[in-house]
Amino acid sequence: QSALTQPASVSGSPGQSVTISCTGTDSDIGSYNFVSWYQQHPGKIPNLIISEVTKRPSGVSDRFSGAKSGNTASLTISGLQTEDEAHYYCSSYTDKNSLVFGGGTSVTVL
Amino acid sequence: QVRLVQSEAEVKKPGSSVKVSCKASGIIFSTVAISWVRQAPGQGLEWVGGVIPAFGTGNSAEKFKGRVVMTADLSTTTAYMELTSLTSEDTATYYCVRDYRRGFDPWGQGTLVIVSP
Repeated sequence: QSALTQPASVSGSPGQSVTISCTGTDSDIGSYNFVSWYQQHPGKIPNLIISEVTKRPSGVSDRFSGAKSGNTASLTISGLQTEDEAHYYCSSYTDKNSLVFGGGTSVTVL
Repeated sequence: QVRLVQSEAEVKKPGSSVKVSCKASGIIFSTVAISWVRQAPGQGLEWVGGVIPAFGTGNSAEKFKGRVVMTADLSTTTAYMELTSLTSEDTATYYCVRDYRRGFDPWGQGTLVIVSP
């Protein structure tokens, strides 16, 4: 199972919105609504911020939102803040009863 | 609250095996699924596999098939991941996670496994 495709990096100024794409195939993102997103600050444990494409766990800021169209999922961070500077990973369930991650995207706040 | 506490770091020789434990609390262990995710130094996340403790069954990523065994002990609410035939490429932090509808939360604190001659 190949990794999902994410841009290596995205950047934005404070207050702006940035969107991270996550491209898969018909065997994963295209067939299941089990797409999750994780935020990981340097040296820290990953933290679930979006599950099932659009659901935010309790305590996660509503500045984070998820969406999906076809084989591509996306994470949008609105009102960018310095604390949002981190790595972000997408994941999806697959038709092999397995799970695959994206390569990760580094978000920089300019 | 749900908590996953993992075993301590390990240093292993190439060709040997490692067994990492993950003690769960705050949840009904028989109703959950536990997955294992690893992260090599400076690299991204990689799903290793998962197990459903109530059934003792699970699945692993294709690249680990035949080399990883995931088990769980309901009596101690502890999950285990054993990885065999270790190489330097297996050097990574291994996390256990609760798998809830394919969203991983919470995460254990991670167990660093170093494979070195």
